[in-house]
Parts: sequence; C-alpha cells; structure tokens
Amino acid sequence: QSALTQPASVSGSPGQSITISCTATSSNVGGYNSVSWYQQHPGKAPKLMIYDVSNRPSGVSDRFSGTKSGNTASLTISGLQAEDEADYYCSSYTSRRTWFGGGTKLTV
Amino acid sequence: QVHLEESGGGGVQPGRSLRLSCVASGFTFSNYGMHWVRQAPGKGLEWVAVIWYDGSSQFYADSVQGRFTISRDNSKNILYLQMNSLRAEDTAVYYCARPHFDHSSSAADYWGQGTLVTVSS
Repeated sequence: QSALTQPASVSGSPGQSITISCTATSSNVGGYNSVSWYQQHPGKAPKLMIYDVSNRPSGVSDRFSGTKSGNTASLTISGLQAEDEADYYCSSYTSRRTWFGGGTKLTV
Repeated sequence: QVHLEESGGGGVQPGRSLRLSCVASGFTFSNYGMHWVRQAPGKGLEWVAVIWYDGSSQFYADSVQGRFTISRDNSKNILYLQMNSLRAEDTAVYYCARPHFDHSSSAADYWGQGTLVTVSS
C-alpha cells in the first residue's frame, strides 16, 4: 500500500473541472509543503505540473492548481481539455527520499 | 536547454548486474541532486534513489537498498545506477530526473526518456 493514496480513476467532460485527491497515510511522508503533482501520457516521461503544494513551473497552464488541507492535497484541473487525459501522480519528498501516490487515471 | 539521456538498459538474467548511465546537459550538473525513478510495465512511479549535488550522500528505497548504488561524475556530467542481484520485480523503465531547485531533493522538473530494464531467465 502506497504511503500516498489517490483514487484510481476520475472522469470529466470537456470544459468541466475535476479534482484529484492525495492523502498521506503517515505523518512521516514528506515535508508539510513538499507535495507535487505529475502528469504522464502513455509512453512518455512524467511532467511536473505543480510543486510545493500550489506552485506551477513555467509553461504549465493556469488551469492546473494545487491545494492542501491537513494531510490531504488536491489537484484541480479546470476547463478540461481532451489533452488532459493522462495519469496523474502526487508525490512528496524529504531530503532523503521521495514518495509517489499510486496514480489516478483521468478520462476526459 | 536541459537534457537528460539514459542508457544501459536491456535484458538480463536474475542475479546478474547492470549499470545505467544518465548524461546531463544544459545546466550546471554539479549544482543539482539527482534522482532515479522507475516504472514497472503498466504500473505507477516508484522512487529508487537520490544523490546529493556533490555526491556526499545517497539514499535508497527499501526495495533496492543494499543491491543498487547511485553515483555521479560531476566532471563528466554523468549519473549512474549500478544494479546488482537483479530480480524479476526490478523490470521497469528507469528514469533519471533533476530536481526543480538546485542543492535540494525537490520535485523533479526534468526527466530523461527512460531506459527499459528487463530481468528474465
């Protein structure tokens, strides 16, 4: 069982908004603000979408946003587009290790 | 621009060894810690190991501790992963990844294309 729990799948229609949750099952999982989110299309390397809970790397659409409350982080994608269909992974880190959630398949 | 390119993957029998390399370019390699992350076929991401920017510390996932060794050559801009006593469950695409912030082990904003390791008799 992963230390970060995500739903296996979510779905939405074009233009809608969806939210993917990520719950830490242990208090030892990463620093408080160390949550990040990755997008992965089939056969491709992961792409960083959100780091440190709510920050977007340069070039990532502002349709992607991140929040955190208690031990649960969330990724919200607004204005869903067909190209958003992918697997999404949450992650948390310390200086000594990194954890990934099990991944969520988004169907648009 | 930042570029990471892995190599060294392939087919290997259980119990044997393999060394992966990751050549980095487009940034000051010696300023960044580096990760190895793997993904078994049809499965999720699994963090494998991290090495600090100066090579002074290395940390491993429990699943590879004692079998894998991460190292780097900052003079050549190359990251390595020495994998010994390979098992079928080590079969995966292995990615090298660079953290977003220098001198840290933060979220990775640059990834290589991955190299496939298949462990089978």
